[in-house]
Amino acid sequence: EAGVTQFPSHSVIEKGQTVTLRCDPISGHDNLYWYRRVMGKEIKFLLHFVKESKQDESGMPNNRFLAERTGGTYSTLKVQPAELEDSGVYFCASSQERGFSNSPLHFGNGTRLTVT
Amino acid sequence: AQSVAQPEDQVNVAEGNPLTVKCTYSVSGNPYLFWYVQYPNRGLQFLLKYITGDNLVKGSYGFEAEFNKSQTSFHLKKPSALVSDSALYFCAVRDVIYNQGGKLIFGQGTELSVKP
Repeated sequence: EAGVTQFPSHSVIEKGQTVTLRCDPISGHDNLYWYRRVMGKEIKFLLHFVKESKQDESGMPNNRFLAERTGGTYSTLKVQPAELEDSGVYFCASSQERGFSNSPLHFGNGTRLTVT
Repeated sequence: AQSVAQPEDQVNVAEGNPLTVKCTYSVSGNPYLFWYVQYPNRGLQFLLKYITGDNLVKGSYGFEAEFNKSQTSFHLKKPSALVSDSALYFCAVRDVIYNQGGKLIFGQGTELSVKP
């Protein structure tokens, strides 16, 4: 099966510009997560979709970040306007759960965002 | 709040020697613990998980982890390290929601370097 794919792999933008990251989960996976790793620190949770609904968005840093998952398939994460501290690697992951099955999350290769 | 800690930023091991990457956790309730590995320019790959049952969990690539409830630890181990094991290792605990998955909470990561 195809894995989680993220686009673009790298993005370099100037402060104040807008960037949209895309994630295509594994087909059939209802759960989709966004994470980011900033400056070599720990990987921080941003938000969690179950199908098209936001299950948990407690990790979204501020209202410059907007995530969508129309139709419960792919997801986009928009940063507008971008700030220097938004630089980092943004990971997407997906999983399919039944009960307390604790299926592993499958991660994409990430998008490296650099804001200059 | 649930959390994990990886006390070592870096671990250096000679090829053929045993390796240990340390992780301690803090949870309310039963712990759901995971180890992931990240190779350069790649996404995170699932290694193993502890949900319940035997304290020694076996995973991919010859890795295993020992769950110790009294010490609240979940150290990753391998009897004989390979140069190809050099990568970034993340310990994580999971907030599980019935039928809806749940976010992973990651430690800060440990860089493992295996020298020939």
